[in-house]
Amino acid sequence: QSALTQPGSVSGSPGQSITISCTGTSSDVGSYNLVSWYQQHPGKAPKLMIYEGSKRPSGVSNRFSGSKSGNTASLTISGLQAEDEADYYCCSYAGFSTWVFGGGTKLTVL
Amino acid sequence: QVQLQESGPGLVKPSGTLSLTCAVSGGSISSSNWWSWVRQPPGKGLEWIGEIYHSGNTNYNPSLKSRVTMSVDKSNNHFSLKLSSVTAADTAVYYCARKTLATGGNAFDIWGQGTLVTVSS
Repeated sequence: QSALTQPGSVSGSPGQSITISCTGTSSDVGSYNLVSWYQQHPGKAPKLMIYEGSKRPSGVSNRFSGSKSGNTASLTISGLQAEDEADYYCCSYAGFSTWVFGGGTKLTVL
Repeated sequence: QVQLQESGPGLVKPSGTLSLTCAVSGGSISSSNWWSWVRQPPGKGLEWIGEIYHSGNTNYNPSLKSRVTMSVDKSNNHFSLKLSSVTAADTAVYYCARKTLATGGNAFDIWGQGTLVTVSS
């Protein structure tokens, strides 16, 4: 069970859109539509932003969206805002009742 | 609104056992949720440790399975983590979290604030 692969950092200007990728294998991301995404501000606990690939929990802005193609899941944030600056982590079901996280991506809003 | 709160020693000696408890408030630990532990070494990413159901059923990360034990205390509405034979590599912020049917049982929707555990002599 290896960590999912995410870019170390992404950046964008206010109002722009950015996409964060999360690459796994045919044993995790590729086999299940069970990817979730978490936002983590410094010193804070993670916050659920997307679950089951593309669903948003109540209260999460519709600027956040999720998708998947093959072994890669993606999180897109549109209309970037300063408060979106944070670390983002993906997580996928990995079979046999186990879960695996990505290494995390630092989003900088320029 | 369900809230989670971790507690336990902040310092553990190498080769010792790390013991943490997560208190569940605002709801019953016997509801249809999985209760999980996730850790984050300083400056690094998240790692799923494992989860437990109120029935006592558990699932563990294969890489930690030999050292992890989780339990549920229904009378006190909390669940616990024990990690044995710790080394400096186990130094991390430990979070407890919930997976609920409201999110298909497939995402961690509520998290505790986290507690830093340092392994050092």
